[in-house]
Amino acid sequence: QVQLVESGGGLVKPGGSLRLSCAASGFTFSDYYMSWIRQAPGKGLEWVSYISSSGSTIYSADSVKGRFTMSRDNAKNSLHLQMNSLRVEDTAVYYCAGGILGGAFDIWGQGTMVTVSS
Amino acid sequence: SYVLTQPPSVSVAPGQTARITCGGNNIGSKSVHWYQQKPGQAPVLVVYDDSDRPSGIPERFSGSNSGNTATLTISRVEAGDEADYYCQVWDSSSDHYVFGTGTKVTVL
Repeated sequence: QVQLVESGGGLVKPGGSLRLSCAASGFTFSDYYMSWIRQAPGKGLEWVSYISSSGSTIYSADSVKGRFTMSRDNAKNSLHLQMNSLRVEDTAVYYCAGGILGGAFDIWGQGTMVTVSS
Repeated sequence: SYVLTQPPSVSVAPGQTARITCGGNNIGSKSVHWYQQKPGQAPVLVVYDDSDRPSGIPERFSGSNSGNTATLTISRVEAGDEADYYCQVWDSSSDHYVFGTGTKVTVL
């Protein structure tokens, strides 16, 4: 079935790094644009980063620009988010999400929790 | 940066109609998408491109968009519709996706 599965979350100290991964299955991954979207505890959804279906175009939110890097490997049906210089305010559930419908995200993973704390 | 404003909460009796607004500057010129999120779960797309429904989403969910306000309408509300709802657009002026502030729908 259509599935996105995130991994790589955990507890990290401020200033540390983490690499999130998202494994896709059940659909043609290379046709889909992808994003990472996060949700701090008890808060709303916040878009983090976007990558086009080919990987040639990447956009990032101002709050993570210069610290987070998104990439994809269409041959391996995988998506990654390299997170450096982590801050307490980066604490959130991180979802990978994909779409093919004009900017909407119709496939979501279950999320992985990232906690930044000393 | 582009801002989308939603009411924090909407309450509705079963069988009635819930309307959730999403306000943004000239939002009528953008495509608006809506998501439903139940506690502990990932969001689910319920309306895309202002008024289209993905397969599997009941016809009770509909959307409209004009001027400075987009609206998600849930007809014949059921207990299972109780959730948080978010609107979302692509802001081409900043190359950013933007989510609304979210609305908690309570079924009385």
